[in-house]
Amino acid sequence: EAGVTQSPTHLIKTRGQQATLRCSPISGHTSVYWYQQALGLGLQFLLWYDEGEERNRGNFPPRFSGRQFPNYSSELNVNALELEDSALYLCARGTSGKPQETQYFGPGTRLLVL
Amino acid sequence: ELKVEQNPLFLSMQEGKNYTIYCNYSTTSDRLYWYRQDPGKSLESLFVLLSNGAVKQEGRLMASLDTKARLSTLHITAAVHDLSATYFCAVCRIESGANSKLTFGKGITLSVRP
Repeated sequence: EAGVTQSPTHLIKTRGQQATLRCSPISGHTSVYWYQQALGLGLQFLLWYDEGEERNRGNFPPRFSGRQFPNYSSELNVNALELEDSALYLCARGTSGKPQETQYFGPGTRLLVL
Repeated sequence: ELKVEQNPLFLSMQEGKNYTIYCNYSTTSDRLYWYRQDPGKSLESLFVLLSNGAVKQEGRLMASLDTKARLSTLHITAAVHDLSATYFCAVCRIESGANSKLTFGKGITLSVRP
């Protein structure tokens, strides 16, 4: 059991809209990582949150942003959606607040941009 | 920048036979992970390898790490259909500050045929 829930499971948007994706790690785990898995591109690191702060960011434009709430759940926002944003977005929880610890992944949100 | 390469990208395996898949990475790393992903599903953690010469085994899968060669191998013994999935390796290089992150290979899709 990964101990991470994500919602929604699927999301359909049109180009230019905004998407909000949510992630909740099980209680007591403070780190949340976001990844994008686009077809043919593998998993790309997006964002890392720990203790409510953004700790690291991947090579994505600023329209990808997020936040972490006091209960350590997290939100990923994608503004001005483009067709190439269509992907599976995976959230992972850490175990110790350090990215080198094993990360456990949630089921993902599949975003389709039309 | 850390690069992770997996090969082959696709492998058709015959039931009952042994196979080895490879993961190469470009710079010194602190630890290496193997994950499994079934079609349409999230990632499941398989192994974490922490040091040179580390070997981990679970069922028909055995992973090893050679940090000098910057190479990890995943050996499959007597392939069975249940092993059909995509296998990712990921490498974490611990950097100063908060720059540490997990870098994934593109994954190897294994298909076991009767």
